[in-house]
Amino acid sequence: DIVMTQTPLSSPVTLGQPASISCRSSQSLVHSDGNTYLSWVQQRPGQPPRLLIYKISNRFSGVPDRFSGSGAGTDFTLKISRVEAEDVGVYYCMQATQFPWTFGQGTKVEIK
Amino acid sequence: EVRLVESGGGLVQPGGSLRLSCAASGFTFSEFWMSWVRQAPGKGLEWVANIRADGGQTYYVDSVKGRFTISRDNAKNSLYLQMNSLRAEDTAVYYCARDWRAAMVFSYWGQGTLVTVSS
Repeated sequence: DIVMTQTPLSSPVTLGQPASISCRSSQSLVHSDGNTYLSWVQQRPGQPPRLLIYKISNRFSGVPDRFSGSGAGTDFTLKISRVEAEDVGVYYCMQATQFPWTFGQGTKVEIK
Repeated sequence: EVRLVESGGGLVQPGGSLRLSCAASGFTFSEFWMSWVRQAPGKGLEWVANIRADGGQTYYVDSVKGRFTISRDNAKNSLYLQMNSLRAEDTAVYYCARDWRAAMVFSYWGQGTLVTVSS
């Protein structure tokens, strides 16, 4: 199975400041079809997960442009340009290049 | 509006069985792959199983193979998860999710239903 490792596991951030989360996979996420199926989901407290980013850097419908994704191969990053109060929650990266689809451990973003 | 509503969770003894349901609305259910994803209390997310739009293909995480069966009824816009031989480690909130195959993601999620396996 592909192991997804996120750092940090906790990220206290000041409102209006940027936040960055790293996600590393145990093997390349480049699929045989040429795509890289790395996505990011957000889970606010007490809520189900919500899709933010797909195929490394594409924002899902309705996702604010302060969220951005980047990376390639085995190293990926989610950035929040200016953290707002509603961004508090846990963020997970997920790979769907190979079954079983696997998630990172999650990174908790909280306000300082 | 896409809506996914899970039901069927509850308390069950180890070795017991439970059937989860997910009622879908707001989209053409028969055109989409669907998944179950679970989250143990205070833990992260784990993909459990998914099923092709026509029900003809299924995939499972190794830990549930032979015990869980995903199925669907497109006429009823419903997704199911039959869980047998339940173990304590199956205790989790189970989410129904709509796949988006072009991006290989879960584009919509239900609110979840809690399954507790305990004596």
